[in-house]
Amino acid sequence: GQQLNQSPQSMFIQEGEDVSMNCTSSSIFNTWLWYKQDPGEGPVLLIALYKAGELTSNGRLTAQFGITRKDSFLNISASIPSDVGIYFCAGQFTGTASKLTFGTGTRLQVTL
Amino acid sequence: DAGVIQSPRHEVTEMGQEVTLRCKPISGHDYLFWYRQTMMRGLELLIYFNNNVPIDDSGMPEDRFSAKMPNASFSTLKIQPSEPRDSAVYFCASSTKNRWGLAGQETQYFGPGTRLLVL
Repeated sequence: GQQLNQSPQSMFIQEGEDVSMNCTSSSIFNTWLWYKQDPGEGPVLLIALYKAGELTSNGRLTAQFGITRKDSFLNISASIPSDVGIYFCAGQFTGTASKLTFGTGTRLQVTL
Repeated sequence: DAGVIQSPRHEVTEMGQEVTLRCKPISGHDYLFWYRQTMMRGLELLIYFNNNVPIDDSGMPEDRFSAKMPNASFSTLKIQPSEPRDSAVYFCASSTKNRWGLAGQETQYFGPGTRLLVL
């Protein structure tokens, strides 16, 4: 099935550093979502974006819905060890109600 | 509130055997989704239901896979006969419309997954 392109594929950073990752699509979406998956668990919703240009924060996480509607960005400030995991973006069309298209994932590893 | 519940959490079976995965969605959610996750293909949507009715099963790999939702609080995904290439983590997710009640803008909540290994 179709997947969104996420970059980077993986990141190895030090505790306290800021992290940025993005997701791009060849198609327009009406909703962008960011999920985090811990080892052995299901993805957990972090942030949902509903309008082009929207900037939303959830604690140390900030995500933006790209103006073109074809991309989204996630930033994590002052990373901590529990930020380790795989981050997935997901896009959704209004016309194809409920179906999400998932990104390929960004694996984040944080060192002390 | 209880989240999405899946059982079993782990399943090991031999090729050719029937496998049944179970899911209980979050109470009040009217959409239910089955996904498969592998290293090679990532997260793939297999099928989803709305108000217990299958809406899109285009992601179901082949006739060996079937899914049912007999009521609003229970769904099954069955593989018969199972093959080694079916080994993956299978997730169930549920959702409902967001605060604006607009179609297509629901957010999905995932269960912990069933890790399936077919030998």
